[in-house]
Amino acid sequence: DIQMTQSPSSLSASVGDRVTITCRTSQSISIYLNWYQQKPGKAPKLLIYSASSLQSGVPSRFSGSGSGTDFTLTISSLQPEDFATYYCQHSYDTPYTFGQGTKLEIK
Amino acid sequence: QVQLVQSGAEVKKPGASVKVSCKASGYTFTSYDINWVRQATGQGLEWMGWMIPNNGNTGYAQTFQGRVTLTRNTSESTAYLELNSLTSEDTAVYYCARRALGYSSDYWGQGTLVTVSS
Repeated sequence: DIQMTQSPSSLSASVGDRVTITCRTSQSISIYLNWYQQKPGKAPKLLIYSASSLQSGVPSRFSGSGSGTDFTLTISSLQPEDFATYYCQHSYDTPYTFGQGTKLEIK
Repeated sequence: QVQLVQSGAEVKKPGASVKVSCKASGYTFTSYDINWVRQATGQGLEWMGWMIPNNGNTGYAQTFQGRVTLTRNTSESTAYLELNSLTSEDTAVYYCARRALGYSSDYWGQGTLVTVSS
C-alpha cells in the first residue's frame, strides 16, 4: 500500500496569511493526488483533484501543485471559513489512502 | 442537483452486522463509481472500498477483505455497504461518495454513524 505523510499535523495562522500544506507519498503516483477540506460534523469537500485541478465552485485562493511523490496545497489568503482540517488522498491504485490530516486553526 | 442521501444512525452489538444505504439522485447512478470511506470519532479518513454500479464490480481495502460487501440496486439508484463481525473499533461515521475526475470523490453523503456497543 502507498503510505501518505502529510505535514504539518496542525497549523495556526491568521486571516490573510498564505498557508502551505505538504503531502509526500511512499512511491510515485504521477498526479493522482486529491485534497479535501473537512469541517466538524460535516462530510469532506473536494478542493483539488489530479494534483492541481480546482474543483468547480472552489475559490481560486486554493491551489495545488506537485507530481511524483511531493505535493502541496496552498491557500493564498486565509479567510475565516477556511479554518478546518485538510486531507490529501492518493487515487493511483487501491487502497486510496488518506493523509493523517492537517488541522488549520486561528492564531 | 447531485445528492447522496444515507440511511440513519445504527447501534449494533459486537458480532452483529450493519447495512448502510446511499441513495443517489441528480445524476445517472450507473455512470459513476461509488467509494466508501469511514471516520472514527476524532480520527482521520479511511478508504474502505469502491463499487461500479453499472456492473456491480467491487474492490476492497485489505483491512476489510472478507468482512465488507458492497452492493447496489440500480432500479432504486442506491448503493449499500454491509459490514460483518462488528467490534467496538468499527464505531465510526461511514460515508459514501461519488467517484469522479482523477478518481477523486466529488459528492459525499451526509454520513451514517454506526455505534458498536454491548
